[in-house]
Amino acid sequence: AQRVTQPEKLLSVFKGAPVELKCNYSYSGSPELFWYVQYSRQRLQLLLRHISRESIKGFTADLNKGETSFHLKKPFAQEEDSAMYYCALGNAGNMLTFGGGTRLMVKP
Amino acid sequence: DTEVTQTPKHLVMGMTNKKSLKCEQHMGHRAMYWYKQKAKKPPELMFVYSYEKLSINESVPSRFSPECPNSSLLNLHLHALQPEDSALYLCASSGRVRGVGETQYFGPGTRLLVL
Repeated sequence: AQRVTQPEKLLSVFKGAPVELKCNYSYSGSPELFWYVQYSRQRLQLLLRHISRESIKGFTADLNKGETSFHLKKPFAQEEDSAMYYCALGNAGNMLTFGGGTRLMVKP
Repeated sequence: DTEVTQTPKHLVMGMTNKKSLKCEQHMGHRAMYWYKQKAKKPPELMFVYSYEKLSINESVPSRFSPECPNSSLLNLHLHALQPEDSALYLCASSGRVRGVGETQYFGPGTRLLVL
């Protein structure tokens, strides 16, 4: 069975502070991992996928197979980063399993 | 066109009504999905269509009936729903990008209220 855990339901930081949203997974196969973001009243949007190793809006995420983690990081948080963030695990059947989500609040 | 569109945006229905949700994509994706999202919860997979055939049904009650008329359209027919079915219903489609893999793209959702 595959599972995604986001241990923090809420993360509150001040503008300019570093941010790390944690994500741990369990999966017996080769994982495909994603971060999706849902801004208030907007659709769920793809932020990052591990396979492309990109940086979007200053966010990065590295897959650590030893620790089965895919934490999302940004060195300097901005107020517009406030949103709901979901880590998701894709399997060979194109099914996504989402973590419970972390609400990021960036205070001025 | 790089978006998934859904209609209607909002829907209020009684428990005896029959209604349909619609989803459309023109990205040439061959897989389409229905998810249900309750407030402050992650999306939960309901159905997966692959090449216009239902490939996954996550034990969804029969009052939800999916339909895929063609490769660009996905419907969800609703009948005799319960108040606990009130939620945001999300449609997604996915395609394989060379070197990147399969990625799902989501529509804005239909917010359903069952009275």
